[in-house]
Amino acid sequence: QVTLRESGPALVKPTQTLTLTCTFSGFSLSATGMSVGWVRQPPGKALEWLAVVDWDDYKTYNTSLRTRLTVSQDPSKNQVVLTVTRVDPADTGTYFCARMSGGNPWYFDYWGQGTLVTVSS
Amino acid sequence: DIQMTQSPSTLSASVGDRVTITCRASQSVHGWLAWYQQKPGKAPKLLIYKASSLENGVPSRFSGSGSGTEFTLTISSLQPDDFATYYCQQYHSFFTFGPGTKVDI
Repeated sequence: QVTLRESGPALVKPTQTLTLTCTFSGFSLSATGMSVGWVRQPPGKALEWLAVVDWDDYKTYNTSLRTRLTVSQDPSKNQVVLTVTRVDPADTGTYFCARMSGGNPWYFDYWGQGTLVTVSS
Repeated sequence: DIQMTQSPSTLSASVGDRVTITCRASQSVHGWLAWYQQKPGKAPKLLIYKASSLENGVPSRFSGSGSGTEFTLTISSLQPDDFATYYCQQYHSFFTFGPGTKVDI
C-alpha cells in the first residue's frame, strides 16, 4: 500500500526558510522510474508544481521558483525534503507531495493529504 | 513553459447530467495529459492519464479524449459524489496544471 505524508511547520515568518518533509511507504525511490514531487495550492486557488526528485537523484524545478527551492532525498529514511527560502505571504498554502512511477515527467498517481503552511509575521 | 486553460471555470449541473470539461494547452503535449478530481480539504485524485486511460478503480462514467492541444473530460451521468473541482495537467514538458473547473449544483 502506497502512502505519503507531509510534515512541517504550520506557521513561518516572512524571509525565513520553510522546510517540509515527505515520508513515504509502499515503494522505493531507488527503483528505476520512481520519482517524488511537490505541488502546492494557495487557499482557493489552483495547483502549482514545485519540484521533483527522481530515483537517480536528478532534480527538476519550477522555472519561476527555482532560485528559492531545493529538493533532496534520504533513501534510508524513505523521505524527500523540500526547502523554500525567503518565504513571503504568497507562499501560504497547502503543500502536497506525490509519487510518479513512470519516469520524469509523468503523472502523479499517489498523493499525500497535504500540510497547510501560513506565512505571516 | 506550457500554459494550460480550462473551460468552463464553473459548471452548474444536476445528478444524471452529461458533463464535459475542456482543457487546452499552449502547445502540443501530444497525449501526455492527466485529469484529477479534488474535493475541498482533500488531495487531488488521479482519474485519467495519457489523455484517455482510466486509472484503476475510477468509475467508467469518467472518460477522457483528445490529443495535441485540446482535451476533454466527460462524465456520462453525474453522480452526487462527482461534485468537485477538476484539474488537467500536462506532463509532456515538466508539469503544468490547468486553473480548474468547479462542478456544482
